[in-house]
Amino acid sequence: EPEVTQTPSHQVTQMGQEVILRCVPISNHLYFYWYRQILGQKVEFLVSFYNNEISEKSEIFDDQFSVERPDGSNFTLKIRSTKLEDSAMYFCASLEGYYEKLFFGSGTQLSVL
Amino acid sequence: AQTVTQSQPEMSVQEAETVTLSCTYDTSESDYYLFWYKQPPSRQMILVIRQEAYKQQNATENRFSVNFQKAAKSFSLKISDSQLGDAAMYFCAYRSGNKLVFGAGTILRVKS
Repeated sequence: EPEVTQTPSHQVTQMGQEVILRCVPISNHLYFYWYRQILGQKVEFLVSFYNNEISEKSEIFDDQFSVERPDGSNFTLKIRSTKLEDSAMYFCASLEGYYEKLFFGSGTQLSVL
Repeated sequence: AQTVTQSQPEMSVQEAETVTLSCTYDTSESDYYLFWYKQPPSRQMILVIRQEAYKQQNATENRFSVNFQKAAKSFSLKISDSQLGDAAMYFCAYRSGNKLVFGAGTILRVKS
């Protein structure tokens, strides 16, 4: 089965530093997402991306966050100035078409110290 | 806003027995999708089963089946012949537009 690939699997950073989380969605997919899960809590929607622009974002996705698809294959999430509360597992996901199933990557565990 | 409620924080089942995980949701839409995802300790999100709201027939995938009650906005997951490998966190999710909204999850423990 095709896979969504995320790198790195673990990222440790100091508070205030910038981090970039990387994802390679499945090649023929059109919709891309970032979700996050704080340990022991539910999975929360951050942002969706379609046709090279953000289609929807949650209230969590403030000005510190940005996404881009720089080269048609990678899909990145940037956090400009990390806070302690940004520590979470970040999942990338992609969707081929509106009626299809969502494929998740294996996640990047971000730890902000 | 759509919400998904899983009222059971934790459930236990004996190996080979059957267990049902509950999920209710709130929506004003008539056409939508519902999902159950399994999250083992590795924290990977694995799709277990999907239900289209326009289909009256309950979805089934091997030992996993759902009881979809559209009028009651209920979407429970039944796991038959439970196996040790079924132990995980299970999330119910509702598809709103092109995003998923997740419930808080139910931890399933399987006893040998």
